Amino acid sequence: GESVGLHLPTLSVQEGDNSIINCAYSNSASDYFIWYKQESGKGPQFIIDIRSNMDKRQGQRVTVLLNKTVKHLSLQIAATQPGDSAVYFCAETTSGGYNKLIFGAGTRLAVHP
Amino acid sequence: DAGVTQSPTHLIKTRGQHVTLRCSPISGHKSVSWYQQVLGQGPQFIFQYYEKEERGRGNFPDRFSARQFPNYSSELNVNALLLGDSALYLCASSLTGGYTFGSGTRLTVV
Repeated sequence: GESVGLHLPTLSVQEGDNSIINCAYSNSASDYFIWYKQESGKGPQFIIDIRSNMDKRQGQRVTVLLNKTVKHLSLQIAATQPGDSAVYFCAETTSGGYNKLIFGAGTRLAVHP
Repeated sequence: DAGVTQSPTHLIKTRGQHVTLRCSPISGHKSVSWYQQVLGQGPQFIFQYYEKEERGRGNFPDRFSARQFPNYSSELNVNALLLGDSALYLCASSLTGGYTFGSGTRLTVV
């Protein structure tokens, strides 16, 4: 399938290194944030989320940090693997009901052996 | 359990034609949203439906319309296609606010 990240900023890392992907969000009222991974030819896949009452949340090999003061999110991937190569998007929304997701521009992660 | 399914997976249309894209949500999910993803960009919100009612609409022209059926499946219709409508159209379903995406329909307008 076609790549979704032809013109996106790229982060290149060596296999086994830690990766940090950053995102600036736009709406001060947003209180729920999600990181998605998108592989070529597929839809976005949920990785991890965080609510605005937290500043850090950990999953398996992934950690999300939230800095509401500067409206910044980061996704940390430990021991990056070739299977982590994809485009990563942050998304923001407001909780309570069904609300639209606002996606960031995306970052392509390229993992080299 | 099947995820969000979309059909068709790929489609080629001519300028001026109309298109209908289909989405079946995860069983039990009552909310369906549609997003347009142009190559190299993040998905952009088009519509959201819950219990067959439109709950939100993004900044898209009236050529775009959608509906949700009693079984919670949904259709996205686009009339008078333009070259700029070429994109990956994504459907997401939700139960309590978390969103699960389908693999999308790749629409090419020539």
